[in-house]
Amino acid sequence: QKEVEQDPGPLSVPEGAIVSLNCTYSNSAFQYFMWYRQYSRKGPELLMYTYSSGNKEDGRFTAQVDKSSKYISLFIRDSQPSDSATYLCAIEVVGKLIFGQGTTLQVKP
Amino acid sequence: NAGVTQTPKFQVLKTGQSMTLQCAQDMNHNSMYWYRQDPGMGLRLIYYSASEGTTDKGEVPNGYNVSRLNKREFSLRLESAAPSQTSVYFCASIGLGITEAFFGQGTRLTVV
Repeated sequence: QKEVEQDPGPLSVPEGAIVSLNCTYSNSAFQYFMWYRQYSRKGPELLMYTYSSGNKEDGRFTAQVDKSSKYISLFIRDSQPSDSATYLCAIEVVGKLIFGQGTTLQVKP
Repeated sequence: NAGVTQTPKFQVLKTGQSMTLQCAQDMNHNSMYWYRQDPGMGLRLIYYSASEGTTDKGEVPNGYNVSRLNKREFSLRLESAAPSQTSVYFCASIGLGITEAFFGQGTRLTVV
């Protein structure tokens, strides 16, 4: 079993839609949960992170961790064409960053 | 502040050729990493170096070697390239916290 799993999509939504991106992880001991955004032909950039459990909000983005079900979510409100990118969840495992497969999102005007 | 710099940006190799991918960071980070990214596979860890002078295998180390030349530089070597190593390679450096991770722009490698 992979340490973190993510549905690769692709996901296509109209502008203004609410987007939900999800990952599952295998070990309840994991503490740091991150979301990276990667534009085409660029390196990943950290978008948000949460430590332990709960929600974290930054503008139109909300990161959520449900430790009871080992589920990580990223919500994007009022999605914009500029949000079109690949979104990767990541966890820390003994100082290493382990990534999910990434979900490619397209927001259509 | 350049961050993480990878060279080259693009490379085409013939099967059996060797090459070294270079990575340098100017953020005084201890930890550096090499990942490969393939369609539908996300980023997979090849090797990492937690500090100068140490290296460890990641998820997919076969066919690769690394050198942590000094604190700034971490190189990835393909001794005998194979078509299965066609991929986009990313170097990352990580600071004191795991959330202080920065990636280079990637090296697109094609092995024919």
